[in-house]
Amino acid sequence: AQKVTQAQTEISVVEKEDVTLDCVYETRDTTYYLFWYKQPPSGELVFLIRRNSFDEQNEISGRYSWNFQKSTSSFNFTITASQVVDSAVYFCALSEGRAGGTSYGKLTFGQGTILTVHP
Amino acid sequence: DGGITQSPKYLFRKEGQNVTLSCEQNLNHDAMYWYRQDPGQGLRLIYYSQIVNDFQKGDIAEGYSVSREKKESFPLTVTSAQKNPTAFYLCASKLSGPGSYNEQFFGPGTRLTVL
Repeated sequence: AQKVTQAQTEISVVEKEDVTLDCVYETRDTTYYLFWYKQPPSGELVFLIRRNSFDEQNEISGRYSWNFQKSTSSFNFTITASQVVDSAVYFCALSEGRAGGTSYGKLTFGQGTILTVHP
Repeated sequence: DGGITQSPKYLFRKEGQNVTLSCEQNLNHDAMYWYRQDPGQGLRLIYYSQIVNDFQKGDIAEGYSVSREKKESFPLTVTSAQKNPTAFYLCASKLSGPGSYNEQFFGPGTRLTVL
């Protein structure tokens, strides 16, 4: 069975601090996808990034960066120079996958990390 | 603009009533999903559908029903058999088939409260 663990329930930082959100996953699949979603107070989940299991390159997008380490089954998310607008709940998720992308795509979510950035 | 719409945004139900939550997408996505979110918890899958006229139970399907008569629409009915229906309900969709990358896109959600 697949499982995603986000050990940090809540994180509170002051603006401009860097913050890392941890995500550890379990799966028996050899091909899988990892995701991060942001849920602002409005409630809608916003897709941030997808990473497939055979691509361990780290990725940077503006102030956001992601560190995927297959050896430790982790997919951590770092926000550099945090801002108040980053305050949200962040979810890590895992999906089974097959090469070529044909799967029913069920997402297993972690419990989420509530990030509060204070001015 | 392309996207996923859910209605209503807020819904109040009396105990013993069935209610139907609407989900519509104009993204031409094949697959659609319903999730439930409770406070402090992640999302749990209720039902999903890969194609029209076909759907499967997710992890917590008891007390819910769905239909998929059109590609664009995937309504969820919360029946009186659902013991604790107060929650935030999110609909999602994604492309299927070779070349898809499995990210799901979400609607704005419906907050259901049982009075």
